[in-house]
Amino acid sequence: GQNIDQPTEMTATEGAIVQINCTYQTSGFNGLFWYQQHAGEAPTFLSYNVLDGLEEKGRFSSFLSRSKGYSYLLLKELQMKDSASYLCAVIRTYKYIFGTGTRLKVLA
Amino acid sequence: SAVISQKPSRDICQRGTSLTIQCQVDSQVTMMFWYRQQPGQSLTLIATANQGSEATYESGFVIDKFPISRPNLTFSTLTVSNMSPEDSSIYLCSVGTAGVPPYEQYFGPGTRLTVT
Repeated sequence: GQNIDQPTEMTATEGAIVQINCTYQTSGFNGLFWYQQHAGEAPTFLSYNVLDGLEEKGRFSSFLSRSKGYSYLLLKELQMKDSASYLCAVIRTYKYIFGTGTRLKVLA
Repeated sequence: SAVISQKPSRDICQRGTSLTIQCQVDSQVTMMFWYRQQPGQSLTLIATANQGSEATYESGFVIDKFPISRPNLTFSTLTVSNMSPEDSSIYLCSVGTAGVPPYEQYFGPGTRLTVT
């Protein structure tokens, strides 16, 4: 079976830092992606982890611990445009299994 | 990255009818996938569209309800058959580079379906 869990909603203030967690239990693992999805739009790629550790891309960083089945997405210097849903997806062979998604609201 | 278009972008359909959604990619791709995203929910994989053979369906999805075609490496269709209000959802196609890490996928803009 597979379970990929994220907090349902989070709220943060403009300029702050927010960490969105993703925990997973899945048979087979080839990597983990983070996607951003604004309302009414398609998901867009943010970051990818296949090995343990931190990957940094500008204001966004993603961390992976395979032994703990845990990842997080870190967003720094939050902007209003970061209000969106954030989806983690575990890759099994070539297929994505998406987490429950986290709706982030950034307040002025 | 690939540019993906879907038609229609949205539709309102009556229960018991069928709708075919088209997905067109601007380049040849190995893997094409169809997802469903119900209101306020995350994405659920329906099936992998295989070129030249039958699609591979995920648990809970069957060919009679969601027939899929993949006539070539740039095009696929998903049909939602005998629709009911529970089929109201956004349907997205995506393309990926299976066999070539990091297996990144690119998503189409989605088709918003409402069944009345």
